[in-house]
Amino acid sequence: GENVEQHPSTLSVQEGDSAVIKCTYSDSASNYFPWYKQELGKGPQLIIDIRSNVGEKKDQRIAVTLNKTAKHFSLHITETQPEDSAVYFCAASIGGSQGNLIFGKGTKLSVKP
Amino acid sequence: DAGITQSPRHKVTETGTPVTLRCHQTENHRYMYWYRQDPGHGLRLIHYSYGVKDTDKGEVSDGYSVSRSKTEDFLLTLESATSSQTSVYFCAISESAGGVYGYTFGSGTRLTVV
Repeated sequence: GENVEQHPSTLSVQEGDSAVIKCTYSDSASNYFPWYKQELGKGPQLIIDIRSNVGEKKDQRIAVTLNKTAKHFSLHITETQPEDSAVYFCAASIGGSQGNLIFGKGTKLSVKP
Repeated sequence: DAGITQSPRHKVTETGTPVTLRCHQTENHRYMYWYRQDPGHGLRLIHYSYGVKDTDKGEVSDGYSVSRSKTEDFLLTLESATSSQTSVYFCAISESAGGVYGYTFGSGTRLTVV
């Protein structure tokens, strides 16, 4: 089955710097790659996603890139702010009725003022 | 949380007792999921449902059962709670198979088994 590896497990940056979180997946059939943000005491919330027919997607300060050949995808946050501090999860899915999302183990991002 | 609620939010129970967690949605989504979240393990799928009375196992299903008698409700039961089942449990809903339009998560249930 699918396996998703996520690095780093913790990341600390200064406000205004960029943050990058990387994930690799094992199943070449995976075609959907979302990123979730989880704030303390809350459930994860979808922040951006990318499909296998797209190499990069941006939404304001957040971008995701996908390299299908290498089977890895990354989340980029620019001009980080203290409110970006949270746990971030990547996930992968092969879609279809059996293609449930498989999550990475998460990255705790701390943005220091 | 966008039409999904979990109950209870917190529960402390004793080892060996049965426990049922409830997930209720008002979105009429077909797919519902139960995950557990533990430090160092991220989110792991316990069971999921792809329709009323249609359920299947996830990667960590041992010791858990589920039921879905109505579209809006998905119940997770720990038949005989153990300390290893102390965790935060999240329910999620999706309108598509494979979650390819994203999951919406509930706020979670923190379960402590003593």
